[in-house]
Amino acid sequence: GESVGLHLPTLSVQEGDNSIINCAYSNSASDYFIWYKQESGKGPQFIIDIRSNMDKRQGQRVTVLLNKTVKHLSLQIAATQPGDSAVYFCAENTSGTYKYIFGTGTRLKVLA
Amino acid sequence: EAGVAQSPRYKIIEKRQSVAFWCNPISGHATLYWYQQILGQGPKLLIQFQNNGVVDDSQLPKDRFSAERLKGVDSTLKIQPAKLEDSAVYLCASSLSAGGQYFGPGTRLTVT
Repeated sequence: GESVGLHLPTLSVQEGDNSIINCAYSNSASDYFIWYKQESGKGPQFIIDIRSNMDKRQGQRVTVLLNKTVKHLSLQIAATQPGDSAVYFCAENTSGTYKYIFGTGTRLKVLA
Repeated sequence: EAGVAQSPRYKIIEKRQSVAFWCNPISGHATLYWYQQILGQGPKLLIQFQNNGVVDDSQLPKDRFSAERLKGVDSTLKIQPAKLEDSAVYLCASSLSAGGQYFGPGTRLTVT
């Protein structure tokens, strides 16, 4: 399939290592955040979300950290696997608007 | 549960021609979104429907783009006439409420 994000920032990690993908969001009024994974030729896939009343949320192998002071969001992937190779986007939302603003994305490459 | 369906998956047209994309959201999802994703960038919201009403179309180039959601279910997005810069992936997403959106596979448009 086609490649999404040929000119995106790229993070290369060894299989089994932990990955950290960062995102700076733009609107201080945003109170809901989502991380999406997008593989080539597919639409974005929901990974994990977090609301602004939290600063950390954990999923199965993923953790999202939110720092509202500096408007920064990060996604940590534990024991990165080849199937994690994709482009990752953060999206921000303000309650009641149903409007999501996406960041520019980071390409994650997992090296065997 | 069936996901968001989109068609066609790929479309190639010449500039100044017209094109239409179709989206069928997840059953019961009241909110439907159309995004434009240019290669190397995150999705950009074009229009958002709540049932069959438009909530936000502030970033829709209304001189050439139009969208409708008759009966509050399926939606079509049309471009007439197309320009070279319209080459992108057009993503449809739906959501039940103020939670994560579910994306379709997208339609890859190439304007020559």
